[in-house]
Order: sequence, then C-alpha cells, then structure tokens
Amino acid sequence: EAQVTQNPRYLITVTGKKLTVTCSQNMNHEYMSWYRQDPGLGLRQIYYSMNVEVTDKGDVPEGYKVSRKEKRNFPLILESPSPNQTSLYFCASSLGGREYNEQFFGPGTRLTVL
Amino acid sequence: AQSVSQHNHHVILSEAASLELGCNYSYGGTVNLFWYVQYPGQHLQLLLKYFSGDPLVKGIKGFEAEFIKSKFSFNLRKPSVQWSDTAEYFCAVTPRMGYSSASKIIFGSGTRLSIRP
Repeated sequence: EAQVTQNPRYLITVTGKKLTVTCSQNMNHEYMSWYRQDPGLGLRQIYYSMNVEVTDKGDVPEGYKVSRKEKRNFPLILESPSPNQTSLYFCASSLGGREYNEQFFGPGTRLTVL
Repeated sequence: AQSVSQHNHHVILSEAASLELGCNYSYGGTVNLFWYVQYPGQHLQLLLKYFSGDPLVKGIKGFEAEFIKSKFSFNLRKPSVQWSDTAEYFCAVTPRMGYSSASKIIFGSGTRLSIRP
C-alpha cells in the first residue's frame, strides 16, 4: 500500500531533550516536506527536500533540522525542543518535477514539549 | 507576500444544505490550486485540484470548486452536504515557477465544517 508513515504518533517530552520524528514513504517520491499545524494558522511548511541531499527552509524553520540521506526517509530533528514547538506535525511527499503533483500526507505526530 | 485566506473559520450546516467555502489568494502570477480535507483524527487528503483548463473542477465525494482568476478565488461547493462531510477543509496554492513549483505550497488557515444530523 502506498503510504507515508511517521513515528512516533504521539510524543511528550521536556524542554531541551533532543528528539527525532521519522518520516518514510514507499512511493519513490522525490519531494518531501514537513509541516506543523496549529489552530487558526493552518499548515506551515518547516523544511522541504527536492531530492536526496537537497533540502531547503520553509516558512518556519527555526529550531528544526532535517536530513535526506535516502530517498525514502526525511527525519525531522529538534535539537533542543521548546514549548512553542508543541504542535501537530505532518510529513508529506510528492513526485515533484516540472508539474506540481498531489502531496500525500502522513498520519501526523502530536508533540507536546513541557 | 503570498497568502491564502479562508474567511470562514467555522461553518455549521444541517444535512442536505448547500455548502460554499471561500478561498482567496494573493499572488500575481500563475498558480496551481488545491482543496484538502482532514477528517477528525486523520491526515489530509486531496479533494480536488486545478492546474489549467475548465475553471470548474470536480473532485471526490460530490465536491466541486470554481477558479475565478479575476477575483483570485477558488471557492469549494457541494449542493447537498452529509453528516460525513464533517471535517476541516484547507485551501492551498502553489505558485507555478517551473521546476521549482513543487517547493512552495501555501495553505489557508482552514475552515471547520460541522454538519448537524
């Protein structure tokens, strides 16, 4: 089944404790992206990747890191989480290329930073 | 700066009522337009999309949207809603800039739709 998976689905942590949220897709998509969803703000793009070893900042990159060492994986790293990073996070992937294609979203990761 | 506005934050309708959710964007160039739906506790799914051609686009589950370029709008419609349409709806825009068009997608803040049985 074609899908985007994220782990963990729920995470409660404390300020300053490094964490990684994994994202994996099995559709051989070139493009992957991370968003955070906050009430009243919709989805805001954190980072995106056009292909392996190619990443770039979205609208709200501060406090986050990403890496794209393999095509299928795009982990989101919070080196020193803070309470303002409490949010619902979505990973997405698409074919990319000349014509924009539909983004396929993962199930989401609800992160709480105390 | 590019932006997408969804003016209705929460819409409450009875079953069988007609639905129209507004979406306006600010960008002077060519765009691709999307509506996504998020059912309670689930991830976002594509409802419909517009790239070019007929400005009236039909999507899944009886939804349609009309692109009106002069108004920078892409409103979502459904003639008769069902209880199962209860969800949050997001309008999204990507400026079309050649190969890099996949890099930037701008979402609206979402409209929560509640349907009374």
